[in-house]
Amino acid sequence: AQSVSQHNHHVILSEAASLELGCNYSYGGTVNLFWYVQYPGQHPQLLLKYFSGDPLVKGIKGFEAEFIKSKFSFNLRKPSVQWSDTAEYFCALNTNAGKSTFGDGTTLTVKP
Amino acid sequence: DSGVTQTPKHLITATGQRVTLRCSPRSGDLSVYWYQQSLDQGLQFLIQYYNGEERAKGNILERFSAQQFPDLHSELNLSSLELGDSALYFCASRPTVGGTGELFFGEGSRLTVL
Repeated sequence: AQSVSQHNHHVILSEAASLELGCNYSYGGTVNLFWYVQYPGQHPQLLLKYFSGDPLVKGIKGFEAEFIKSKFSFNLRKPSVQWSDTAEYFCALNTNAGKSTFGDGTTLTVKP
Repeated sequence: DSGVTQTPKHLITATGQRVTLRCSPRSGDLSVYWYQQSLDQGLQFLIQYYNGEERAKGNILERFSAQQFPDLHSELNLSSLELGDSALYFCASRPTVGGTGELFFGEGSRLTVL
């Protein structure tokens, strides 16, 4: 069975602080990994994805994530957060069978 | 605009009632996923369809059912509604050709059960 675990349920940061959200997954085969962002009152949308190649992937709005296969991790980072980054962040994986599994999400609150 | 259309956007009903939520995937996408998001909770996977056939089932209650029609739109039926069924219900579709498994979500249907 596949699973995704996000370590932090709620993170509170001040503007300009650095961000790292943890994500670990469990699956024995090949996976595609994703981070989705859900702004207040909106639907989830893709932030970035990893499917092959360079394990350091860059997404929109200055976000990046690093896939570390040996640690089954795909942590999300941003060097300097802004108030507009306040949102819910979901880590997800997709297997070759087409099944998508989401983590429980991390609520990020950025104080101005 | 993700290209995934959900109706209605808002729905208020009473306990014990039955409602139907509708979803049209992006043009060309054969897969449809349904998720439930309750207040302050994550995305709970309900069910997935691919080209009219059920592909995967999550924690979907027996009071809930879904189907995907030949024109690829999908409906989620919720019956004998309870207060706890109040939530945001998202539909998502996945590209059939190309893509790497990312999901495109609709705007959601907000269900309030009074």
